Amino acid sequence: DIVMTQSPDSLAVSLGERATINCKSSQSVLYSSNNKNYLAWYQQKPGQPPKLLIYWASTRESGVPDRFSGSGSGTDFTLTISSLQAEDVAVYYCQQYYSTRSLTFGGGTKVEIK
Amino acid sequence: EVQLVQSGAEVKKPGESLKISCKGSGYSFTSYWIGWVRQMPGKGLEWMGIIYPGDSDTRYSPSFQGQVTISADKSISTAYLQWSSLKASDTAMYYCAKYGGGGRYYFDYWGQGTLVTVSS
Repeated sequence: DIVMTQSPDSLAVSLGERATINCKSSQSVLYSSNNKNYLAWYQQKPGQPPKLLIYWASTRESGVPDRFSGSGSGTDFTLTISSLQAEDVAVYYCQQYYSTRSLTFGGGTKVEIK
Repeated sequence: EVQLVQSGAEVKKPGESLKISCKGSGYSFTSYWIGWVRQMPGKGLEWMGIIYPGDSDTRYSPSFQGQVTISADKSISTAYLQWSSLKASDTAMYYCAKYGGGGRYYFDYWGQGTLVTVSS
């Protein structure tokens, strides 16, 4: 299995400040034939199911605010919230979908307001 | 509008069997993989397996192979997750979710979740 490791486990950020979450895969999730990174990001608010934010490592899902952005390639990825809003308090997960036999999630990063 | 509606919360005893459901609407149910994801209390997300309702092709995470059975009834646009003998460690929230299609193996729509509690 591809192991996904997120850091930090949690972070507290002031309203309007930047939040940065890291995700590292144990092997590359870049598919060379199409040059796409098979990496998605989800947001899960308390008591709700996860919600897709980003796919192909950097493509925002329709309706997702542009303060959310994804970057990285190969094995190292980042989710950035450029200006944290109160409604962004949630746990964020990365997921690789390169290995379709066994898709795997990162352990999650909890984002809180400082 | 795409919707995945899951069956309600269950409270079961160890050793009992259980089948929970996920009904899809607003899209071609037979054309997209549906997966199941476990979230144990206070923990992260675990991919359990997927099914393609069009032909019932099913794949399991090695961690869940033999522990659960995933099935689908395309005539009623419903996917299922079942246990033959529950354990206390099966206590969790279970989500169904739909893949994006066309090689996009990320989950673009999720059900609301079914809470399963196993306790003697």
